[in-house]
Amino acid sequence: DAGITQSPRHKVTETGTPVTLRCHQTENHRYMYWYRQDPGHGLRLIHYSYGVKDTDKGEVSDGYSVSRSKTEDFLLTLESATSSQTSVYFCAVTSGTGTRQYFGPGTRLTVT
Amino acid sequence: DAKTTQPPSMDCAEGRAANLPCNHSTISGNEYVYWYRQIHSQGPQYIIHGLKNNETNEMASLIITEDRKSSTLILPHATLRDTAVYYCIVRDAGGTSYGKLTFGQGTILTVHP
Repeated sequence: DAGITQSPRHKVTETGTPVTLRCHQTENHRYMYWYRQDPGHGLRLIHYSYGVKDTDKGEVSDGYSVSRSKTEDFLLTLESATSSQTSVYFCAVTSGTGTRQYFGPGTRLTVT
Repeated sequence: DAKTTQPPSMDCAEGRAANLPCNHSTISGNEYVYWYRQIHSQGPQYIIHGLKNNETNEMASLIITEDRKSSTLILPHATLRDTAVYYCIVRDAGGTSYGKLTFGQGTILTVHP
């Protein structure tokens, strides 16, 4: 599992509240990613990071921001959660662009 | 990255080989074919990848056609635990891709007793 943990694993929150999800890795991977997965869909990339303080948008970045202040942590923030952001969120890491990605166990977020 | 096409679902009997096809007719020369699978509610798991040559590891074999426009993932002796969604992904291994993966709908493989 490449030493990836996600916290929290489950969260229920109300519309309009801020939410931060954390991805933590222990093996010094350079690249980190946040994906979301909705029923009947494959994973979609939200944001990714290619180094400390280096981040960029994925295909579904609206309503999300990220930060990476140290190699091991990649934070995903929903500034004002909406019901459409109810989803399962997966973090992933890789050491190089040509190598495999390792995925975390996921965070199930419900926005009521 | 090139688009891939996979059948939405397939069945396989336990103990038999499962052959999962993938079409990637627009693949370019520096793009690899990756296979991942996702067992219910878990994070995707890497299976295998290749560029031109056939590849084999402890989990599966990957057969890529000579023109590279299609490939087949082979699970030689499927078990019930292989029931999962299988994703075929074409990915540029160059630096500008930043290692990003684009997931399609995948193939739901159901292994029957």
